[in-house]
Amino acid sequence: EAGVTQFPSHSVIEKGQTVTLRCDPISGHDNLYWYRRVMGKEIKFLLHFVKESKQDESGMPNNRFLAERTGGTYSTLKVQPAELEDSGVYFCASSPQLGVNTEAFFGQGTRLTVV
Amino acid sequence: GDSVTQMEGPVTLSEEAFLTINCTYTATGYPSLFWYVQYPGEGLQLLLKATKADDKGSNKGFEATYRKETTSFHLEKGSVQVSDSAVYFCALTSVGTGFQKLVFGTGTRLLVSP
Repeated sequence: EAGVTQFPSHSVIEKGQTVTLRCDPISGHDNLYWYRRVMGKEIKFLLHFVKESKQDESGMPNNRFLAERTGGTYSTLKVQPAELEDSGVYFCASSPQLGVNTEAFFGQGTRLTVV
Repeated sequence: GDSVTQMEGPVTLSEEAFLTINCTYTATGYPSLFWYVQYPGEGLQLLLKATKADDKGSNKGFEATYRKETTSFHLEKGSVQVSDSAVYFCALTSVGTGFQKLVFGTGTRLLVSP
């Protein structure tokens, strides 16, 4: 069974440009999460989808970030326009259900560098 | 709000040395506790977990015990190998968020030399 896959693995863009990150969760997982790690700091929650609906987007930094999950399958995270402080590693995770024993399965991450 | 504090790295050890990485937490109610590991060039992987007080999670020779009285979940391994070199993240989910999102510590890099 394929794991969580993320594209691209690396992206280098100039300040002001637009970048779109993609996440393909494990098939059948209704829950999809985006997280971000900035420069050696903690990994921070960005948002949570249940199927195609945004369950919690309290971690989204500002309105330059837009996440979608059309059809409840893959998800995209667009940053427009990108700023220097957006550099970091963006992780996607998925899980089949919620609860005390829930395990989230993570992708390899997309390393975004804004120059 | 919920938070996780773990020791600064890097932790540098020789092969076969004993490892402890400290982790303490603040959370609503009784959180579930996790250790995730990121090996070089790979994604985050769940290493072990514990969901109630005094539970011990274990995997690949690593252990951590859920200590409610000290709000801690320290990671230990009796004899580390070079292949254990990675970044280790302590994390929790709590009833405050319906166990819906992970709160992570800053990560601790472990370097094991032959």
